[in-house]
Amino acid sequence: DTGVSQNPRHKITKRGQNVTFRCDPISEHNRLYWYRQTLGQGPEFLTYFQNEAQLEKSRLLSDRFSAERPKGSFSTLEIQRTEQGDSAMYLCASSLASRLADISGANVLTFGAGSRLTVL
Amino acid sequence: AQSVAQPEDQVNVAEGNPLTVKCTYSVSGNPYLFWYVQYPNRGLQFLLKYITGDNLVKGSYGFEAEFNKSQTSFHLKKPSALVSDSALYFCAVRDLRGDTDKLIFGTGTRLQVFP
Repeated sequence: DTGVSQNPRHKITKRGQNVTFRCDPISEHNRLYWYRQTLGQGPEFLTYFQNEAQLEKSRLLSDRFSAERPKGSFSTLEIQRTEQGDSAMYLCASSLASRLADISGANVLTFGAGSRLTVL
Repeated sequence: AQSVAQPEDQVNVAEGNPLTVKCTYSVSGNPYLFWYVQYPNRGLQFLLKYITGDNLVKGSYGFEAEFNKSQTSFHLKKPSALVSDSALYFCAVRDLRGDTDKLIFGTGTRLQVFP
């Protein structure tokens, strides 16, 4: 297992186009998270999945954004009608979560290298 | 609301000197605190965490962090800096209230270690 894999690593698109990013988590991890990071800022939470269920979406995730994890393995993040403000690094992370880990706060997120989006 | 603050945008230190990267937190309930490091073109890498127990937490690459409840701080430290430690460092607090599970990150501190 080579960790969390994200594709493509870089995407340049024109405003108004749709883009899709893929994340392949560590195989035994049941939780998958998406974050967005803009220049000079820390990562901001977008959404997360427990297996195939999407459990929370941030208010940052407008209607143009949709994330799926259809079989509880890989996930896709689609942005429709891209805007220049969508330019950012999109980070995926995964973790092996459990009720005990949630109570203790102990499970660690493993991040991928990110997918950088540039909207012209 | 859960939050962390990193008051320094950049920290400069000479190789071999001790380093400190500061973080303060504001949480309701138990603080679950983390430090991550980000190298260029690489993902965030976990360094260490504080969940409970000893206030001094040891992590990867010789880093450690001191949890101080009275000062609501979780500063990252290393006794002797290396040039290869130069990177972007993020403090984060884990929000596990209700049905959520998210890390709330600070704005990051760029560490520059000079030879």
